[in-house]
Amino acid sequence: DAKTTQPTSMDCAEGRAANLPCNHSTISGNEYVYWYRQIHSQGPQYIIHGLKNNETNEMASLIITEDRKSSTLILPHATLRDTAVYYCIVTYSSNTGKLIFGQGTTLQVKP
Amino acid sequence: GAGVSQTPSNKVTEKGKYVELRCDPISGHTALYWYRQSLGQGPEFLIYFQGTGAADDSGLPNDRFFAVRPEGSVSTLKIQRTERGDSAVYLCASSSPTSAYEQYFGPGTRLTVT
Repeated sequence: DAKTTQPTSMDCAEGRAANLPCNHSTISGNEYVYWYRQIHSQGPQYIIHGLKNNETNEMASLIITEDRKSSTLILPHATLRDTAVYYCIVTYSSNTGKLIFGQGTTLQVKP
Repeated sequence: GAGVSQTPSNKVTEKGKYVELRCDPISGHTALYWYRQSLGQGPEFLIYFQGTGAADDSGLPNDRFFAVRPEGSVSTLKIQRTERGDSAVYLCASSSPTSAYEQYFGPGTRLTVT
């Protein structure tokens, strides 16, 4: 079973920041938080990951709370092309690469 | 560069038939994964290869499902005696040895069993 909880759906206005929350209250000290997204009819796409520090790349920012029990993915200026299902995944520490996807959050960016 | 490719993109087969789904990973990626995605659900892990060997096949639902990667590159997922419940999108992903969880996914094969 997925070790994360996400809202089922969210809306965001185009050009605004999209903030997608994720709860992972049972995360272990050496487990990472990964975010993927899946645009309709495509395979999932890696976005970003982090352990305990906040991370930023060209796609998004990841904010992890100090107790690591939750995180927020931030898309700073959402566009219509960001409409997708966003998955928050806590990885197993064995580093096998096995991803356990939950239901994700469907983000609808509206003009 | 070239991404992960999967063939065919769509496959329709009759119940009871045998099917093969092919995955071409990114060159140099030693790890390869198969997932299955049913409508409205997140992808579900099936099997993971490191090189030629299946390092984790815990997600294969039963012994009708089998996957191979004989030369450590292309992989084939094989399903025997297909059932209607096998209908789904089958996704393949690959990753580099140093970034197991940063996976690059193919577009998937949509399998429909009638």
